[in-house]
Amino acid sequence: SQQGEEDPQALSIQEGENATMNCSYKTSINNLQWYRQNSGRGLVHLILIRSNEREKHSGRLRVTLDTSKKSSSLLITASRAADTASYFCATLGNMLTFGGGTRLMVKP
Amino acid sequence: NAGVTQTPKFQVLKTGQSMTLQCAQDMNHNSMYWYRQDPGMGLRLIYYSASEGTTDKGEVPNGYNVSRLNKREFSLRLESAAPSQTSVYFCASSEAGLGEQYFGPGTRLTVT
Repeated sequence: SQQGEEDPQALSIQEGENATMNCSYKTSINNLQWYRQNSGRGLVHLILIRSNEREKHSGRLRVTLDTSKKSSSLLITASRAADTASYFCATLGNMLTFGGGTRLMVKP
Repeated sequence: NAGVTQTPKFQVLKTGQSMTLQCAQDMNHNSMYWYRQDPGMGLRLIYYSASEGTTDKGEVPNGYNVSRLNKREFSLRLESAAPSQTSVYFCASSEAGLGEQYFGPGTRLTVT
């Protein structure tokens, strides 16, 4: 069973727009991580937020975590065509458990 | 540094055949993992090794065995392949169990 569930499953935006992806989970966690996967490739780690943190930034990425609602969001600002990929949240409890992902398409 | 490498990249097996997927990392990480990814889905953990000499079952271990050969290498074996094991297999490593994981490029396995 998957701990995290991403929403939406697919998202299509124009270059320059912001993209927001949400993740909900069910049980308590140590941390929550976001990964990107380009088509046919392995996953690449983007950002990790600990359970006692509420917000974290890395370049054009902003992640929030609300442990009371068991949810997280990933915001990509000023999107580029190169951001086209699938994005996965992963929650760390006893093991790292991945959600089903959001497929993001950024049109030039 | 090559990071995490996996061999082979592609494999086709007939039902009942066996094979071993190889994984190696050159980052001196303690923990290593095997995942499978089915179409349109996230990754599911098959087995992991928190440190050299230890292995533990993940979410979907049935039909698989693993060996942590040394700190660098972690192999996944299918003893008798079944069509349900058609998937893309990813190996990953991390310095410790709590942090970010580094993934290999994957092995695309088809069982007919």
